[in-house]
Amino acid sequence: GAGVSQSPSNKVTEKGKDVELRCDPISGHTALYWYRQSLGQGLEFLIYFQGNSAPDKSGLPSDRFSAERTGGSVSTLTIQRTQQEDSAVYLCASSLGLGPIDTQYFGPGTRLTVL
Amino acid sequence: SQKIEQNSEALNIQEGKTATLTCNYTNYSPAYLQWYRQDPGRGPVFLLLIRENEKEKRKERLKVTFDTTLKQSLFHITASQPADSATYLCALPDNYGQNFVFGPGTRLSVLP
Repeated sequence: GAGVSQSPSNKVTEKGKDVELRCDPISGHTALYWYRQSLGQGLEFLIYFQGNSAPDKSGLPSDRFSAERTGGSVSTLTIQRTQQEDSAVYLCASSLGLGPIDTQYFGPGTRLTVL
Repeated sequence: SQKIEQNSEALNIQEGKTATLTCNYTNYSPAYLQWYRQDPGRGPVFLLLIRENEKEKRKERLKVTFDTTLKQSLFHITASQPADSATYLCALPDNYGQNFVFGPGTRLSVLP
């Protein structure tokens, strides 16, 4: 079946512009995660959605970052007034929502470059 | 919060040898620990999960151990192949058990 998809695969933007990154999780997965990975670095947690519960936004680095998940499926990560330090690969993952024993399925990521 | 360290940023070994990667955590001992593989330009792929009451878990050429006393997990790849070259990440649930904390990863290169 289809895995997690993300779009666009690459995004180049100018400093100060807003960007929207999209994630289509695996059908039936109730949990959805956003991570950020800078060059040569590990995964930095950003936000976590689980079913209809309030999202865990504890990893968002600033109020310029926000995310939505509509209808318990597709999610959009929005970065307002982008800065050069926002340049990174943004990864989305989904899972069945079983907690720590979950297997996360990752998308290919969106590479964001802020000029 | 949980902090995770993984041995040497990069590890080079000869084909056919056993690669051993370490994952050390500093805070509470989690009930589960996971290992993922990440290839360049791709998202991580789940490999193995080990529970705190399992000392060892195997899957084909992979073996994972979990020592809650040492706060350490070891990840072994036996009879390594160049195709095993990738970055390997360990992941633990966070304090609340709802989310995951990933280690920085170890980049493994298996030389032919």
